[in-house]
Amino acid sequence: EVQLVESGGGLVQPGGSLRLSCAASGFTISSYAMSWVRQAPGRGLEWVSSIRGIIASTYYADSVKGRLTISRDNSKNMLYLQMNSLRAEDTAVYYCAKDSSGWSQGVFDYWGQGTLVTVSS
Amino acid sequence: QSALTQPPSASGSPGQSVTISCTGTSSDVGGFNSVSWYQQHPGKAPKLMIYEVTKRPSGVPDRFSGSKSGNTASLTVSGLQAEDEADYYCNSYAGNNNSVFGGGTKLTVL
Repeated sequence: EVQLVESGGGLVQPGGSLRLSCAASGFTISSYAMSWVRQAPGRGLEWVSSIRGIIASTYYADSVKGRLTISRDNSKNMLYLQMNSLRAEDTAVYYCAKDSSGWSQGVFDYWGQGTLVTVSS
Repeated sequence: QSALTQPPSASGSPGQSVTISCTGTSSDVGGFNSVSWYQQHPGKAPKLMIYEVTKRPSGVPDRFSGSKSGNTASLTVSGLQAEDEADYYCNSYAGNNNSVFGGGTKLTVL
């Protein structure tokens, strides 16, 4: 059974850093593209970042480029999102999502339960 | 990376059909046959309902169907049921391993 479990969210001050983790089970993350998708309170979904299967190329939305870094540890079957220089507008629930293929085409067939990141002083 | 355009709300009575549109550009919806639709109930994670414009994952009722014409994709829910009341989001591949979501549509079953 495929499962994705996020952790690492919390309250952080503007300009601060946070690292989100996503523990995957039931499949091998290096065989699929993996993504982070966020949802600000009361707002819609926003694709944030993806990492391709096999070759591990990374991709980012313009709104987070240069501040957020996606990575994975194949030996632990874990996905990460390092978040630096955080802003109030980064406040959201962050979902870890598995794509249905090795490249990120927006077909997210499994999602985690989400972890809330709040950026506030 | 502008969001796709969806109507903020849609509604229908039980048993009726409702269609939700999703308008993009030739750089996303119109340029690729990779439009997906997600259902999200309050406080829950999104669920994949349609992918590659018309395909349904295993377990999704055939009351849900998708289509596309030009830069606009559509999700049709036939035979509306109370449990279909939720937020629906479209997503399109936009090239270079990027994708873009629509703003979401709140479906109300009257």
